[in-house]
Amino acid sequence: DAGVIQSPRHEVTEMGQEVTLRCKPISGHDYLFWYRQTMMRGLELLIYFNNNVPIDDSGMPEDRFSAKMPNASFSTLKIQPSEPRDSAVYFCASSVSSNEQFFGPGTRLTVL
Amino acid sequence: AQSVAQPEDQVNVAEGNPLTVKCTYSVSGNPYLFWYVQYPNRGLQFLLKYITGDNLVKGSYGFEAEFNKSQTSFHLKKPSALVSDSALYFCAVRDIPDSGYALNFGKGTSLLVTP
Repeated sequence: DAGVIQSPRHEVTEMGQEVTLRCKPISGHDYLFWYRQTMMRGLELLIYFNNNVPIDDSGMPEDRFSAKMPNASFSTLKIQPSEPRDSAVYFCASSVSSNEQFFGPGTRLTVL
Repeated sequence: AQSVAQPEDQVNVAEGNPLTVKCTYSVSGNPYLFWYVQYPNRGLQFLLKYITGDNLVKGSYGFEAEFNKSQTSFHLKKPSALVSDSALYFCAVRDIPDSGYALNFGKGTSLLVTP
């Protein structure tokens, strides 16, 4: 099992550019979560899906952030336009129902 | 509403000594409790969980945690610390049924084990 796969692992972009982060959950998992980790705010839940349907997006900071899950094996988190304060490590995690979540290696985003 | 608190930013332990990383929680229903570990530049790794049953839960890498309902605590413990245990540890809680399947994470405790 390859675990949760995220790409890219590192992203450096300039303010105002569009950024797309990608996630492939573990096969058979029906929940997918997007988190953001910063030194100041710790680990924050942004949004999560159940069976490809967004369940709770109350953690999405603002309209510049959007997430999709077109099928059970792929999800994207998009930031448009990006700002320096979006710099963080973004994690994707997946789980089977109420069981423990398995995290990907993260994408380190730097917005200049 | 649910929340979890990790009162210590950092815990320092000498190798071979027992370690404890503290966690307290607040939920309106019955909690699901989790411990995760994060090594530098890595994602979080699951260590153990409490859902129901025996209050003492055993997990990966020799770690265990004790659920204490009266004190609303779920402290992580290990009898003999290793230098390789040095990492960032997160406690997390899920409140059934109000919060769905989202986890609420503590701010993390940095564990440093010295030789």
